[in-house]
Amino acid sequence: DIQMTQSPSSLSASLGDRVTITCRASQAISNFLAWFQQKPGKAPKSLIYAASSLQSGVPSKFSGNGSGTDFTLTISNLQPEDFATYYCQQYTSYPLTFGGGTKVAIK
Amino acid sequence: QVQLVQSGAEVKKPGSSVKVSCKASGDTLSNYGISWVRQAPGQGLEWLGGIIPILGSTYYAQEFQGRVTITADESTSTVYMDLSGLTSGDTAIYYCAGGLTLLDVADYWGQGTLVTVSS
Repeated sequence: DIQMTQSPSSLSASLGDRVTITCRASQAISNFLAWFQQKPGKAPKSLIYAASSLQSGVPSKFSGNGSGTDFTLTISNLQPEDFATYYCQQYTSYPLTFGGGTKVAIK
Repeated sequence: QVQLVQSGAEVKKPGSSVKVSCKASGDTLSNYGISWVRQAPGQGLEWLGGIIPILGSTYYAQEFQGRVTITADESTSTVYMDLSGLTSGDTAIYYCAGGLTLLDVADYWGQGTLVTVSS
């Protein structure tokens, strides 16, 4: 199985800040990586696919980068609606696997 | 685009089974691969397995092999997830999620079904 390791597991940031979350795969996955946002009591929402492509309707403040084993999700100009938990997921092979999540909280 | 609506919350005894449904509307089920993902209280996301209805192909995570069965009824546009041998560790919210195929990003998610296992 491909292990996905996210860091940090949590972070505190202020409104207007820019934050970066890292996701590392245990083996190369090309660009078959997605990022999800989840708010309390809600289903995950897809933000980015193919490592760097923005889903329709997702604001450009979200950006993804990387290929192979190392990936990042950057969120610029943090606003109240961005405080949530973020997960990476590889979808290159079964079983599909998720990172452990990064909770972005208000400082 | 497809909407996925899941069945309601369940309370089950240890050792029993649960069957959760996921009904698709707005598009044909054949156009998607449907995964089941669960989330234990306060924990992360875990993929149990999935189905490609048009092929009838199923894939399961090794951890759940033998305990989970995923089926699809294209006549009713419904996918089912059956989990047997329940323990308290299976208490979680179970989500169905759809993408163009299983090896694709899941763009569409059901609302989740809380399964509580308690004696």
